[in-house]
Amino acid sequence: KNEVEQSPQNLTAQEGEFITINCSYSVGISALHWLQQHPGGGIVSLFMLSSGKKKHGRLIATINIQEKHSSLHITASHPRDSAVYICAVEEDSNYQLIWGAGTKLIIKP
Amino acid sequence: GAVVSQHPSRVICKSGTSVKIECRSLDFQATTMFWYRQFPKQSLMLMATSNEGSKATYEQGVEKDKFLINHASLTLSTLTVTSAHPEDSSFYICSATGGRSTGELFFGEGSRLTVL
Repeated sequence: KNEVEQSPQNLTAQEGEFITINCSYSVGISALHWLQQHPGGGIVSLFMLSSGKKKHGRLIATINIQEKHSSLHITASHPRDSAVYICAVEEDSNYQLIWGAGTKLIIKP
Repeated sequence: GAVVSQHPSRVICKSGTSVKIECRSLDFQATTMFWYRQFPKQSLMLMATSNEGSKATYEQGVEKDKFLINHASLTLSTLTVTSAHPEDSSFYICSATGGRSTGELFFGEGSRLTVL
């Protein structure tokens, strides 16, 4: 069993839909990252969370430390949101990251 | 916020040549930098951890003579892929931190290497 599990693996939705991507982990962490990877490969760091909730534009990220679960939400989704969204956790003891496999999101116009 | 810049974003080279990828922290001192590699359709994999002024610590299975990492200053780490071969074609990403007291881990944009 992977230590970081993302779901769904693939998600296709219509423009305007509310999107939720989930990340569950099994290790003790000091922080959780959400990153966006575009088809060309470029990485953009979206959020770093250690508790609670963060919002940036149409993106919202939440984390529940007790349940070891985080969600990334996209409101009013747009085709330009199409990308792979990756969850990664920093283990308690060091900065080394455990990466999720990613969720490929396609937003159709 | 802090920014980590990676250069080049894309590089194409001939087999047998060496390629250097730079990772710079632009507005903080990066005491520790990490290098990752992503194989096609796979998750990112940690290659090595480098602390400023000391030798990098490589993960099991990563050839240290093949992937030379230098972290000579608090703002720059370099990854050199020596005698590159087509199987080295991949996406390489760095991340950097100023340490626990300053908190966050920041990511470079990544570099796509294609070896012909």
